[in-house]
Amino acid sequence: EDQVTQSPEALRLQEGESSSLNCSYTVSGLRGLFWYRQDPGKGPEFLFTLYSAGEEKEKERLKATLTKKESFLHITAPKPEDSATYLCAVQAQMNDMRFGAGTRLTVKP
Amino acid sequence: EAQVTQNPRYLITVTGKKLTVTCSQNMNHEYMSWYRQDPGLGLRQIYYSMNVEVTDKGDVPEGYKVSRKEKRNFPLILESPSPNQTSLYFCASSLILKTGLTYEQYFGPGTRLTVT
Repeated sequence: EDQVTQSPEALRLQEGESSSLNCSYTVSGLRGLFWYRQDPGKGPEFLFTLYSAGEEKEKERLKATLTKKESFLHITAPKPEDSATYLCAVQAQMNDMRFGAGTRLTVKP
Repeated sequence: EAQVTQNPRYLITVTGKKLTVTCSQNMNHEYMSWYRQDPGLGLRQIYYSMNVEVTDKGDVPEGYKVSRKEKRNFPLILESPSPNQTSLYFCASSLILKTGLTYEQYFGPGTRLTVT
C-alpha cells in the first residue's frame, strides 16, 4: 500500500536556525511529489512540485529536494512568519493523492 | 480572482439527514478532489475527478458520493451522515498538464461538519 511519512511531527526552531523536514514515501510509480503550507483554520497553500529524482526547487527561504525514496524541505534562516504546518503529498499511477500527516513548525523570535 | 469556493463553511446536522456540500472553481481546472482532515491523520482523499463525468475513489470513499456534471462544480453528497463523518472537509482543483501530470492544487476554505 502507498504510504507517506513525514518527520518530525513537530519542530521548534529559533529565528535564524536552519533545519530540514523529511517526507519519505513508498508508492508504486511516483508521478509527482508536492509540498504545501497550511496555516491554522485555512486550506493548504501550494509551495512546490517535484516530478523526478534529483530535482530541486527554491523559493525564498525554502528549498525542496527529491530522491527515489524521500523529499526534504530545507528551511534556511527561518522567520516567525514561517510557522505553519508543512504537508507533503504524492501522486501515484492512479492519479490519487496521498498526504502525510504533516510537520508542525514553530519559529520563535 | 482565481478561487475555489465551498458552501456551507460550517454545518451541524443529525445522523441520517442527507446533505450536500458544494464546491465550485473558476479556473477551468480539469482535476477536482475532496479531502477530509482529522487531527493526527492529515488530509485523506475521498474522491477525485479527472474531468466531467469521470470520478474515482480515493482513500476513504465509504459513506460519500460525488458527481461531476459540469467542469466547474464537484459536489460532495452524504446520503446518511454518521458521527464518524464529523470532520473538516476541503475541496481542491488543479490543472492537468499536457504530459498528463497534475500541477498545484488550489484548495477551498474548508467546511467544518459536525454530525450529532
